[in-house]
Amino acid sequence: DAGVIQSPRHEVTEMGQEVTLRCKPISGHDYLFWYRQTMMRGLELLIYFNNNVPIDDSGMPEDRFSAKMPNASFSTLKIQPSEPRDSAVYFCASSSSAHSSYNEQFFGPGTRLTVL
Amino acid sequence: AQSVTQLGSHVSVSEGALVLLRCNYSSSVPPYLFWYVQYPNQGLQLLLKYTTGATLVKGINGFEAEFKKSETSFHLTKPSAHMSDAAEYFCAVSVTGYKLSFGAGTTVTVRA
Repeated sequence: DAGVIQSPRHEVTEMGQEVTLRCKPISGHDYLFWYRQTMMRGLELLIYFNNNVPIDDSGMPEDRFSAKMPNASFSTLKIQPSEPRDSAVYFCASSSSAHSSYNEQFFGPGTRLTVL
Repeated sequence: AQSVTQLGSHVSVSEGALVLLRCNYSSSVPPYLFWYVQYPNQGLQLLLKYTTGATLVKGINGFEAEFKKSETSFHLTKPSAHMSDAAEYFCAVSVTGYKLSFGAGTTVTVRA
């Protein structure tokens, strides 16, 4: 399996611009998670989906952030408008509930976002 | 709500020495506990996990951790450090099995 795929790997943009991060989960996984990693705040769960439906978005910092999962093989995290404090590494992870009572999450390589 | 505290943001060990990374958790119900490793410029990779049953769990790359309910701890150890163990290590807790809460991370450096 190719693992979780994220694109782009690096993104540099200017304040006020719209940013879209993309994620392709592992085929067959029914959970998808978006995380943000910064030096100050560590790893934070932003939102997660089950069977393409958002379950918990309590970690989304503000209305400038939105996430969608139109189908089982694709998700986006959008920031509009972007601000310098959004600079971070954004990770996507996926997991499967099919075989156990817990979810081992498989992480993508991350997207490093820099907002100037 | 659940949370974890990792004691020590940075640990330096000599090659061949014991690696000990400390993690204490807080949870109102029996937790699931995890250790993840992150190599530079990569995503996180699961090292090992505790769900139920045996309290000593073995993971990849020679790591193991012991769940101690009385101490609310889940410390990670490796008897002999290798240069390739240099990375950042995260302890995580979940009560649902789905939503993880991560600790702040511990960076391990290995001296030759």
